[in-house]
Amino acid sequence: NAGVTQTPKFQVLKTGQSMTLQCAQDMNHNSMYWYRQDPGMGLRLIYYSASEGTTDKGEVPNGYNVSRLNKREFSLRLESAAPSQTSVYFCASSRDRGLTNEKLFFGSGTQLSVL
Amino acid sequence: AQTVTQSQPEMSVQEAETVTLSCTYDTSESDYYLFWYKQPPSRQMILVIRQEAYKQQNATENRFSVNFQKAAKSFSLKISDSQLGDAAMYFCAYRSSGGGADGLTFGKGTHLIIQP
Repeated sequence: NAGVTQTPKFQVLKTGQSMTLQCAQDMNHNSMYWYRQDPGMGLRLIYYSASEGTTDKGEVPNGYNVSRLNKREFSLRLESAAPSQTSVYFCASSRDRGLTNEKLFFGSGTQLSVL
Repeated sequence: AQTVTQSQPEMSVQEAETVTLSCTYDTSESDYYLFWYKQPPSRQMILVIRQEAYKQQNATENRFSVNFQKAAKSFSLKISDSQLGDAAMYFCAYRSSGGGADGLTFGKGTHLIIQP
């Protein structure tokens, strides 16, 4: 049972470089999310996608772009990485049918360091 | 916007004893969900327990139970018979109901230490 799969698990970038974090879920979930986790800050929502073809900003969207490629995949792109984007990134998904909001399933995270 | 507050950055408990982690939240909504997630050193986010606000009965999952006080906007987690494997970061989280797929709002977490 794969659940939510994130790649890569670790990444080191230089300031100004770009990269895309990949996320895929095999649970046929409608909603997908990207969070970042910083020490002492909990998890904060970057972007989310309620369904294929839709994306919305979360609490901390600046410096990021996302693509909901299809129902399974939701990618996060850093166009010009900055040291402030050093963090652990989590992708998550939830079924969310109709008026029922359900629990989130999380990937194992990506440790990103920007030098 | 909703906020979630965990006032205990770190807690320590002896193995086999009981510990309670605190969580308060602020919302103007009447219907919502509350969660406790566990994050061990592996970094994986694991759902511990979930509570629907419209249910008065407190949720229980084996050694984990909650004390949900809706009027006080309080949602504490009690871990009974603590085990070494319970050592982790614990996050309290809030989610609106009603179809808005905007995810969870998390507290900053409580680091739980289990002393053998």
